[in-house]
Parts: sequence; C-alpha cells; structure tokens
Amino acid sequence: GAGVSQSPSNKVTEKGKDVELRCDPISGHTALYWYRQSLGQGLEFLIYFQGNSAPDKSGLPSDRFSAERTGGSVSTLTIQRTQQEDSAVYLCASTTTVGQPQHFGDGTRLSIL
Amino acid sequence: KQEVTQIPAALSVPEGENLVLNCSFTDSAIYNLQWFRQDPGKGLTSLLLIQSSQREQTSGRLNASLDKSSGRSTLYIAASQPGDSATYLCAAPGGGSEKLVFGKGTKLTVNP
Repeated sequence: GAGVSQSPSNKVTEKGKDVELRCDPISGHTALYWYRQSLGQGLEFLIYFQGNSAPDKSGLPSDRFSAERTGGSVSTLTIQRTQQEDSAVYLCASTTTVGQPQHFGDGTRLSIL
Repeated sequence: KQEVTQIPAALSVPEGENLVLNCSFTDSAIYNLQWFRQDPGKGLTSLLLIQSSQREQTSGRLNASLDKSSGRSTLYIAASQPGDSATYLCAAPGGGSEKLVFGKGTKLTVNP
C-alpha cells in the first residue's frame, strides 16, 4: 500500500490477556518505530528497528512488552498479561533512513477492560 | 535528554486569521525537526521537516522556521481555514536512533 498500515484499528481485551499489534511499513522503508499515545503521557517512543534488528528498545515500559520485525518489513508488537495502564493508541512509523521524515499509520486503539 | 514544549496548548481563531504555533526544545544538537498534524482518531500526518541547515521550510500556507541556537521552532499558518482545525505536534530527535520526542501539541480550532 501507499502508506503505513496498522491492524487491528481497535482492540478491546480483558486484563491479563496477551495482544499482538501489527505494523506494515511503507515498502522499502528500512527504519521502523513504535510509539504509544496516552492521555496523560502524550506520545512516547517505544522501540526502533533498523532492518530486523532493534538497536534501541529503551522506551519499552516493562518486560511484558516485546516486538519483532521479520523480512525487514512487517513488525509485531506484543503485550503480555495486559494491564489497564496499557490502554492507549499504539502508533507505528517508518522512514527510508534515519533523519528523513517519519510517516505514521493510523494506529491501534487498545482498550483493556 | 530532549524535552519538547509547545505553547499554547489550545488556540481558537476566526477563519482567515494568520497564526503562529510555538515549539521549544532543550537539546539543540539536532539534525532536523518535524511538524505533524493529527486529526481526531487518526494517526499523524507529516507537514514539514526542517533540516538544521535550513532556517525555513514552506509548504503551501504553512511555513516552519528553526532556530537551533535558541532552541525554538515556529509553525506559521497563513489565512487559516476551518479545515485546518486539528492538533499540531512538534517533534525533535532524541538520540542516535533519531527517535522522535514530541511536545504535547497545540489544539487549533478555526471558526467559520
């Protein structure tokens, strides 16, 4: 597709369940970022991928959060044993190379009941 | 550690008015700065990326300026329209990965 695609667009789940969020970046974009947007905290960085490796995971809030990227393309963010404070919009961005404009998807709105 | 602040948090103007949104950042060792627009329930749309070697960047009715020495950037919107109503976010790189550090945004309402 022409832009960054994220799925699902909305996810409602019960506390304690695991969730997987998917990001399909713009074709050819080697750099991929995950961010989280919550009401109290604004937009926060989670993790950065260059190709399939993640040289910067400094924003992951706990060991319940993990992410992977395969084939230098699709990335999955996994949250285990979800907590209510995980409720937020999770945004993915991609770019051709570090320093170029980051292009964002529409996000996944995650609600933990 | 990079910190980004945007003032004002909200702004309401009549249609046709020119306006300025302000952004300040603490770490001036940046290569660029990016301005985004966010509509309710949507992701971020990149408006302008201004490189550190540039002083200004223009796109249509939008003009962004960057002053690294003072740690400031401004987004100027000319002849505002109701369709410009959105939240505008400023973001500066915050480390070697060029991860973005965002301000809290300015919510703009342009009244017909």
